[in-house]
Amino acid sequence: AQKITQTQPGMFVQEKEAVTLDCTYDTSDPSYGLFWYKQPSSGEMIFLIYQGSYDQQNATEGRYSLNFQKARKSANLVISASQLGDSAMYFCAMRVVGTSYGKLTFGQGTILTVHP
Amino acid sequence: EAQVTQNPRYLITVTGKKLTVTCSQNMNHEYMSWYRQDPGLGLRQIYYSMNVEVTDKGDVPEGYKVSRKEKRNFPLILESPSPNQTSLYFCASSLDRGTYEQYFGPGTRLTVT
Repeated sequence: AQKITQTQPGMFVQEKEAVTLDCTYDTSDPSYGLFWYKQPSSGEMIFLIYQGSYDQQNATEGRYSLNFQKARKSANLVISASQLGDSAMYFCAMRVVGTSYGKLTFGQGTILTVHP
Repeated sequence: EAQVTQNPRYLITVTGKKLTVTCSQNMNHEYMSWYRQDPGLGLRQIYYSMNVEVTDKGDVPEGYKVSRKEKRNFPLILESPSPNQTSLYFCASSLDRGTYEQYFGPGTRLTVT
C-alpha cells in the first residue's frame, strides 16, 4: 500500500521569503510519480510540479522546485519568493504504475499562509 | 481548451433522493477517476475507469455507482444519498493509468441533509 505523510498542518511565511513544505512517502513499487497540487480557497485543484522516480534531477517549475531525496523517501516542495496569492492548501500526492491502478494517493495537506 | 467539467458545482439535497454528478473531459483520456475530499483526510479515490466499460472500486466506493459508456463521460451516481456523503467531489482524468498528471475538474460541493 502507498502512503503520503505531510506533517505540517499549517505554515506561515513572510512575503518574498522562501518556504519548504514537507512530504514523505512510502511505496515498495520502484516506478512512481510524485505530484504537488495547490488548492486555493475557491476549491479547484491546481497542478504545480511533477517528479518521476527515475528522474535524475530535481523538478523545477518557475518559483516551485521539488527537493527529491529518494533514499529518504521525501519530496519536499520549495516555493521561492512567496507571494500573497500563494496562500492556499497544498497537497502532496503519489501515483504508482504497479497495482494501484492509477490511483493518486494524497497526503492530508498543508495550509500555507503568506503574510505581507 | 483542454478541460474536465463537472456539474453541478453545488448541490444541496435530502437523504435518499437519487442524484447524479456528471463529469466530462475533452482530452481523449483513457483513465478517469472520482475522489472525495474531507477535512483532515485529503482526497480519497471512490471509483476509477481505465477505459469504456471498464470500471472498478477505489478506496471508498460504498454508496456510489459509476458508468463509462462513452470515453469522455464518467458520471457519479448516488442512489440513496446519506449525510455522511456530504463532501467535496472531484472528477479527474489522465492519459492512462501510468504516472502522468491527472487533470481535475472544478469540484462539486454536495450537502446531504
